[in-house]
Amino acid sequence: QVQLVESGGGVVQPGRSLRLSCVASGFPFSNYAIHWVRQAPGKGLDWVAIISYDGKNKYYADSVKGRFTISRDNSKNTLYLQMNSLRAEDTAVYYCARVLSTTWYMDDWGQGTLVTVSS
Amino acid sequence: EIVLTQSPGTLSLSPGERATLSCRASQSVSSSYLAWYQQKPGQAPRLLIYGASSRATGIPDRFSGSGSGTDFTLTISRLEPEDFAVYYCQQYGSSPPGCSFGQGTKLEIK
Repeated sequence: QVQLVESGGGVVQPGRSLRLSCVASGFPFSNYAIHWVRQAPGKGLDWVAIISYDGKNKYYADSVKGRFTISRDNSKNTLYLQMNSLRAEDTAVYYCARVLSTTWYMDDWGQGTLVTVSS
Repeated sequence: EIVLTQSPGTLSLSPGERATLSCRASQSVSSSYLAWYQQKPGQAPRLLIYGASSRATGIPDRFSGSGSGTDFTLTISRLEPEDFAVYYCQQYGSSPPGCSFGQGTKLEIK
């Protein structure tokens, strides 16, 4: 079955960097675009970024543009999120989510990894 | 950027009742690009409805979606105990490419 497993979260100081990973299994990873979506503690869902199946197209929320970079390694079935210049407001659970077919709907989700930005 | 506003913020109902959740967009959204998700505490969201009215795989037929333009509705015909959760609407578009969620409606047991 489809499985997405995020890792790399933790506590980081403001201004520092962190890289998240999402390892996929159970489906042809290289055929699907993948999102990053985050959720601050007790808050709603917040879209972060999406990358196309081949990694050529990437789109970002304005709140992370220029600070975060989404990438993928299809040979390793792995999605990444490089987060630089982290701010307190980036504190959240970060989910990776596979799209439904060729849409931007989020059909399958990982369990999330918590990023806490605090001094 | 399209802003989605969900109402009510909290809906208190009893099992067996009908739930009607609203999602209003700040500008017109193609029906093809509107979805609803359910999230239970400690869990990732789950896709319920896409294309405004199509049920995702495995979603019971008590869940239905409708609407067009700027007004969309998620209806749960007869609430089951497992339906009490937070519900989010989501839209995406191509000009410019992007995606946004509503702030959520919490459906709680009365």
